[in-house]
Amino acid sequence: DTGVSQDPRHKITKRGQNVTFRCDPISEHNRLYWYRQTLGQGPEFLTYFQNEAQLEKSRLLSDRFSAERPKGSFSTLEIQRTEQGDSAMYLCASVPVAGNIQYFGAGTRLSVL
Amino acid sequence: GQNIDQPTEMTATEGAIVQINCTYQTSGFNGLFWYQQHAGEAPTFLSYNVLDGLEEKGRFSSFLSRSKGYSYLLLKELQMKDSASYLCAALSNFGNEKLTFGTGTRLTIIP
Repeated sequence: DTGVSQDPRHKITKRGQNVTFRCDPISEHNRLYWYRQTLGQGPEFLTYFQNEAQLEKSRLLSDRFSAERPKGSFSTLEIQRTEQGDSAMYLCASVPVAGNIQYFGAGTRLSVL
Repeated sequence: GQNIDQPTEMTATEGAIVQINCTYQTSGFNGLFWYQQHAGEAPTFLSYNVLDGLEEKGRFSSFLSRSKGYSYLLLKELQMKDSASYLCAALSNFGNEKLTFGTGTRLTIIP
């Protein structure tokens, strides 16, 4: 257990529905990343927060995706009007103020039917 | 641009040694990470190299050559529990600092 919590662990939804995932980073970690991982691939960067500020979004992230980190602690990732291509593992990672190591949560596995 | 290459699959025998290679091309390179990932689980940190040379940590060692854009992860005294995917990731500080991952090397340990 790295100390990064993600909820839910699994989500099954029908195409067109909205879903929201939550990430609780290690406390005092000011940086937070979201990644998407499909089977047989490495994680792909989606977005990055420093405290509450969203500093970068990948071009992979369509306008159906939105992420927040309202108080600089937990973060949410919302996908609107889900598509089958959104099926993947969504990983969150946090990084301490002084350091480069990213600590990953166990992920949320999304299946869109 | 960012490009990370590593073998897709490898097989090794319990008790033996295996070396997993990784080559990278990364703008603003600021270090090379190795993570271990068991199926359905989170990637867990193994090593971070920012300077050239070998870093040893128990049964695992990692090597970096910045001039060659090359790293390897060396696993000794292999155990069955070492069967997992090993992810090579380059840290870039071009813009905001972030990791670019390879596809991962699925390592299977056989008795």
